[in-house]
Amino acid sequence: IAGITQAPTSQILAAGRRMTLRCTQDMRHNAMYWYRQDLGLGLRLIHYSNTAGTTGKGEVPDGYSVSRANTDDFPLTLASAVPSQTSVYFCASSDSSGPGGADTQYFGPGTRLTVL
Amino acid sequence: GQNIDQPTEMTATEGAIVQINCTYQTSGFNGLFWYQQHAGEAPTFLSYNVLDGLEEKGRFSSFLSRSKGYSYLLLKELQMKDSASYLCAAMDSNYQLIWGAGTKLIIKP
Repeated sequence: IAGITQAPTSQILAAGRRMTLRCTQDMRHNAMYWYRQDLGLGLRLIHYSNTAGTTGKGEVPDGYSVSRANTDDFPLTLASAVPSQTSVYFCASSDSSGPGGADTQYFGPGTRLTVL
Repeated sequence: GQNIDQPTEMTATEGAIVQINCTYQTSGFNGLFWYQQHAGEAPTFLSYNVLDGLEEKGRFSSFLSRSKGYSYLLLKELQMKDSASYLCAAMDSNYQLIWGAGTKLIIKP
């Protein structure tokens, strides 16, 4: 059982390029999340999806887009990367998110992205 | 606004006990999570509290006071492998997690 996988592990990207970070979970969790983690700051939510076919904006959504075509996959796209998007990106999933359950979020191993 | 405060760094000795405090202010409250994160790795779940009181899980315990907006993580019989960052996160009324910046715990022999 892999849990959550992310790809790539790390990437160096030129500013202005388009990049998609991949996230796949095999736990059949309904909810998925994308966070960025920067030194000295807490994890910040970029986008989330409570169930397949729906997405929502988090705290820092600008410059990022997501899709949730099925339960397992939740890719994050940077349409035109900028240096301020240099960060470590974590994908997470939970069984549910809402009334009736404050379920634990489980994290993927992360993608370290550098935008030059 | 929503805010989580926890100390930036703490140092403790192997075999000792350490308490990591966390205060929170959120719009609504649906529980308090603690995660452990070793350098270069993903956060991993440690504990969840939604009712006042102490939850014990082996060497780790977590306490919550909803009226004070306060939680702590207590680590007993510290081991070198406990050197990590400990992240406090409160779940708000929208069931979103608001994260603290983390407390880096350094264990000395």
